[in-house]
Amino acid sequence: DQQVKQNSPSLSVQEGRISILNCDYTNSMFDYFLWYKKYPAEGPTFLISISSIKDKNEDGRFTVFLNKSAKHLSLHIVPSQPGDSAVYFCAASPQTGANNLFFGTGTRLTVIP
Amino acid sequence: DAGITQSPRHKVTETGTPVTLRCHQTENHRYMYWYRQDPGHGLRLIHYSYGVKDTDKGEVSDGYSVSRSKTEDFLLTLESATSSQTSVYFCAIMGQGKGSYEQYFGPGTRLTVT
Repeated sequence: DQQVKQNSPSLSVQEGRISILNCDYTNSMFDYFLWYKKYPAEGPTFLISISSIKDKNEDGRFTVFLNKSAKHLSLHIVPSQPGDSAVYFCAASPQTGANNLFFGTGTRLTVIP
Repeated sequence: DAGITQSPRHKVTETGTPVTLRCHQTENHRYMYWYRQDPGHGLRLIHYSYGVKDTDKGEVSDGYSVSRSKTEDFLLTLESATSSQTSVYFCAIMGQGKGSYEQYFGPGTRLTVT
């Protein structure tokens, strides 16, 4: 059963506008959340993370928002650039033991020049 | 760059043959992981290691074994490959910064079982 869900397989956005990628999770033991970006034929690249003690974390153009009560997180990219076109994976960890990650199925973002 | 390499990068093998994939890291990370990526499933954990000779199962461990005899190398073995094991395999390490739980991934191995 998928514990981390990304319900939008794809998203298209105009260059310069905001991209919003969404993620939902079901396991209340998750308390650390991450976003990865993946280009074809490469490994996933870590983008940004957030601990459950926060509701927002920002790094340059990337901001992650966490709503624990709704078990929902989102990644905002502002402004979107063509180089942001990739598959984005949401991941969650219970932050215990080996901190195994549970991944969503990914959202393919296309930024149109 | 987390200093992770994977070999081979591509492999085609026949059903029933044994296959070993290698992950090598250069930065003395304690935790190492093997994932597989399949359409509709994202990445799923196969096995992980928390030290030399210390390994444990992940979500999809059936048909796979691992070994870690040195800190820098983590091997994934398919004892008798099946077509369902056709996938892209990623190795990862966990960052060692204080409060850091991020995992960093290698470039992947594309395995095709015919």
